[in-house]
Amino acid sequence: DIQMTQSPSSVSASVGDRVTITCRASQDISRWLAWYQQKPGKAPKLLIYAASSLKSGVPSRFSGSGSGTDFTLTISSLQPDDFATYYCQQTNKLPRTFGQGTKVEIK
Amino acid sequence: QMQLVQSGPEVKKPGTSVKVSCKTSGFTFITSAMQWVRQSRGQRLEWIGWIVVGSGIARYAQNFQERVTITRDMSTSTAYMELTSLRSEDTAVYYCAADLGDYGDDNLYYYYGMDVWGQGTTVTVSS
Repeated sequence: DIQMTQSPSSVSASVGDRVTITCRASQDISRWLAWYQQKPGKAPKLLIYAASSLKSGVPSRFSGSGSGTDFTLTISSLQPDDFATYYCQQTNKLPRTFGQGTKVEIK
Repeated sequence: QMQLVQSGPEVKKPGTSVKVSCKTSGFTFITSAMQWVRQSRGQRLEWIGWIVVGSGIARYAQNFQERVTITRDMSTSTAYMELTSLRSEDTAVYYCAADLGDYGDDNLYYYYGMDVWGQGTTVTVSS
């Protein structure tokens, strides 16, 4: 199975900050990567697919980049609604494994 | 609008089975891939398996291979996940999710990520 490793595990930030989360795959997955946002007690929500394609309706302050084994999710200006846990998932091979999550907390 | 509605919470004894349903609406079921993901309290998301609805072909994560069956009913646009030989470690919230798919540059159909999610079903395994 492809292992996905996110860093950091948690980050404390203030409204307006730029936040970057990284995700590393244990093997080359080209651009087959998705990012999700999950709030407590809620189902995850797809933000980014194919490494950098923004899902319709997702604010443009979210962006994704990378290919191969190294990927990033960037929130350009953190908003109150963005405090949540973020997961990457590789969609290259089955099983479609997730990273361990990055919790974005209020500083 | 696109919607997945899952069946209600379940409490099961160890060694028994559970079957969770996921009723879909608002999108083309036959071209989707229905996936199941679980999350134990405070833990990461764990991919269980999927079924490509049009072909009916299901694939499972190795951890669940012997105990899980994912099916779909085309007449009601509903997906199902059955997990057998339950143990306490299976206590979790189980989500269904639909990957709607899209054509790539090569005109082949690909599945890029889980676009629509159910509300989650809590399964508690306890003696």
